[in-house]
Amino acid sequence: EVQLVESGGGLVQPGGSLRLSCAASGFTFNDYAMHWVRQIPGKGLEWVAGIGWNGGSAGYADSVKGRFTISRDNAKNSLYLQMNSLRPEDTAFYYCTKDIDILYSYGYWDYWGQGTLVTVSS
Amino acid sequence: QSVLTQPPSASGTPGQRVTISCSGSSANIGSNYVKWYQQFPGTAPTLLIYRNGQRPSGVPDRFSGSKSGTSASLAISGLRSQDEADYYCAAWDESLSAWVFGGGTKVTVL
Repeated sequence: EVQLVESGGGLVQPGGSLRLSCAASGFTFNDYAMHWVRQIPGKGLEWVAGIGWNGGSAGYADSVKGRFTISRDNAKNSLYLQMNSLRPEDTAFYYCTKDIDILYSYGYWDYWGQGTLVTVSS
Repeated sequence: QSVLTQPPSASGTPGQRVTISCSGSSANIGSNYVKWYQQFPGTAPTLLIYRNGQRPSGVPDRFSGSKSGTSASLAISGLRSQDEADYYCAAWDESLSAWVFGGGTKVTVL
């Protein structure tokens, strides 16, 4: 059974940093691209970042480019999102999602975690 | 504002057919596959339709997707109360080099 379990969310002040983690199991992690998608409570979905199967390629939404960094450790079956210079508008649930393709720009997402809430507030 | 445009709401009575539109441009829907996600309150989204009209195993054939030019649509036939949820379309945008979503459509069963 595929499982994606996010952790690392919480309350952080504007300008602060936070690192999200996603522990993957139930599939061969290094065969697939992975993504982070966020959702402001009560609002729509927004793709944040994606990373290819071996970490060699990554892409970001304009809203987070230069502030967030997506990475993965295939030996640990884990996906990460380092978030710096956080803003109140980054407050959202952050979901880890699994792609069906090795590239982050081509496939679709067949499994999602349950999300972790990030709150940016003073 | 979302790059892909969806109506904020749609409704129907049990058994009816409901259609949700998703409008984009040549940079996204016009040149790439569209996928659809279903989301119930308080839960993560789940894949409903991929590659414009393909259904993952387990998704009832009451759900169908199509694409024409720079627009796509999701149809729910034989509407049921358990179909009340939010529905999102998504596609890769070549100009933005990013995945883009529609704003979501809330389906209500009257």
